[in-house]
Amino acid sequence: EVQLVESGGGLVQPGGSLRLSCAASGFTFSTYWMSWVRQAPGKGLEWVANIKQDGSDKNYVDSVKGRFTISRDNAKNSLNLQVNSLRAEDTAVYYCARGGSYWADYWGQGTLVTVSS
Amino acid sequence: DIQMTQSPSSVSASVGDRVTITCRASQGISSWLAWYQQKPGKAPKLLISAASSLQSGVPSRFSGSGSGTDFTLTISSLQPEDFATYYCQQANSFPFTFGGGTKVEIK
Repeated sequence: EVQLVESGGGLVQPGGSLRLSCAASGFTFSTYWMSWVRQAPGKGLEWVANIKQDGSDKNYVDSVKGRFTISRDNAKNSLNLQVNSLRAEDTAVYYCARGGSYWADYWGQGTLVTVSS
Repeated sequence: DIQMTQSPSSVSASVGDRVTITCRASQGISSWLAWYQQKPGKAPKLLISAASSLQSGVPSRFSGSGSGTDFTLTISSLQPEDFATYYCQQANSFPFTFGGGTKVEIK
């Protein structure tokens, strides 16, 4: 059974940082693109970043470029998102998702990031 | 970025009704389109990929069609478990973008 479990969210002040993690199991992690997708409270979905199987290709939505960094550790079946210089508009549930070259076929339960003073 | 426009933003329907949701892309995306279902407090679930390919385990009452700029998600006979919000997503070019969502509510 495919499982994606996010962690690392929380309350952070504007300008602060967090490291989000996603533990993957139930599939061969190293053979899939992976992604982070976020959803602000009561709003729609936004694809934040994706990363190729070997980490050689990464893409970011413009609003997070230079502030967020996606990475993966295939030996540990883990996906990460380092989020820096956080703004109020980054407040959202962040989902880890399998896939990212086209669509996401499995999603985690999400981790909430709240940016507020 | 490619803009995805969904309509309607909400629809009220009864069990057994046929429901159609449309999604329009701001430029041609061939068949690079997916549909997701999201229930309150839950993660999205992939229903359809490549515009019309039903994911394993998804009931056959769901169907997708279209190519280029205009796409449709149809629920042929609405069931109680189908009340949710539906999103389209283009996969033609990054950043992948979603439609604004269509909330299917009980009439």
